[in-house]
Amino acid sequence: EVQLVESGGGLVQPGGSLRLSCAASGFTFSSSWMSWVRQAPGKGLEWVANIKQDGSEKYYVDSVKGRFTISRDNAKNSLYLQMNSLRAEDTAVYYCARDPWGSCFDYWGQGTLVTVSS
Amino acid sequence: DIQMTQSPSSLSASVGDRVTITCRASQGIRNDLGWYQQKPGKAPKRLIYAASSLQSGVPSRFSGSGSGTEFTLTISSLQPEDFATYYCLQHNSYQYSFGQGTKLEIK
Repeated sequence: EVQLVESGGGLVQPGGSLRLSCAASGFTFSSSWMSWVRQAPGKGLEWVANIKQDGSEKYYVDSVKGRFTISRDNAKNSLYLQMNSLRAEDTAVYYCARDPWGSCFDYWGQGTLVTVSS
Repeated sequence: DIQMTQSPSSLSASVGDRVTITCRASQGIRNDLGWYQQKPGKAPKRLIYAASSLQSGVPSRFSGSGSGTEFTLTISSLQPEDFATYYCLQHNSYQYSFGQGTKLEIK
């Protein structure tokens, strides 16, 4: 059974940093593109970033470029999102999702809430 | 960037109704489109991939069509458990984008 479990969310002040993790199991993690998707309270879904199987390609939504970094550790079956210079508008539930090449997100985690507030 | 325009933003319908939701892409995306259902407090669930392929386990009352810039999700006969918010997602470009969502409510 495919499982994606996010962690690392919490309350952080504007300008602060946070690192999200996503633990993957039930599939060959090293063979899958992976993505982060977020959803602000009461709002729609927004794709944030994705990363190729070996980490050699990474793409970001314009609003997080230069502030967020996606990475992975295939030995640990884990995906990460390092978030720096956080803003109030980054407040959201952050989901990790498996991102099959040529298809679209088929499995999602349960999400972790990030709140940016003073 | 590819923009996805989804309509309507909300829809009231009754059990048994046939409903259609539309997504329009700002440029051609072949069939690189999926449809998702989301219920409050839950992660999205994939219903359709490659514009018209039904996800395993999803009821056949859900169907998708379209290619290029115009796409539709159709629910042939609404059931009580279908009242939720629906999103399209394009993955044609390296920067993916979702539609704004359609909230389907009980009339």
